[in-house]
Amino acid sequence: AAGVIQSPRHLIKEKRETATLKCYPIPRHDTVYWYQQGPGQDPQFLISFYEKMQSDKGSIPDRFSAQQFSDYHSELNMSSLELGDSALYFCASTIGASGGSSGANVLTFGAGSRLTVL
Amino acid sequence: GQQLNQSPQSMFIQEGEDVSMNCTSSSIFNTWLWYKQDPGEGPVLLIALYKAGELTSNGRLTAQFGITRKDSFLNISASIPSDVGIYFCAGQTSGSRLTFGEGTQLTVNP
Repeated sequence: AAGVIQSPRHLIKEKRETATLKCYPIPRHDTVYWYQQGPGQDPQFLISFYEKMQSDKGSIPDRFSAQQFSDYHSELNMSSLELGDSALYFCASTIGASGGSSGANVLTFGAGSRLTVL
Repeated sequence: GQQLNQSPQSMFIQEGEDVSMNCTSSSIFNTWLWYKQDPGEGPVLLIALYKAGELTSNGRLTAQFGITRKDSFLNISASIPSDVGIYFCAGQTSGSRLTFGEGTQLTVNP
């Protein structure tokens, strides 16, 4: 079965540079979530999109932005990178963000993109 | 914001032993999920729980959704070396974001 595809898997940047991470959700999934996981930490929610509109916002720095495109893939743009931005960035997808506790809202995660800022 | 307290933080067990870990929250969740994460990989869903009091099994894994909707536990029976990894609980309200626990690092000695 198709999974959530993230690219690149690894990325090394210098301080103050910019980076873009891409996420391709499972086919027919219309909702995408972005999470950041620091070393030894649990994943922290950044932002989510439903049907190409921002649906929820978490602890995403102002230096970061994201969007979901017409084909439902999403991109996380990070500017003015700082050492503390080094982390694993996960994308997860699901069907619908309209509520209800059903299997349709279970998130499937990608393998992640590891960003290292030097 | 919502916080999940997961315990224990780490466990060192012998192959064949049973394992139990749990999560508690000050907030009510509609869904409890348990994920396993291998190093450098994304979390993989193990079990999803949708109703208070629900007890669900997936092979050697058993999880329960607490009656108060503020807690959940995961049991692993007859552990094997490939059970090694970090186990995360996660709570969800009505299709919104997941809130993760701090994780339990499991080490299984052959």
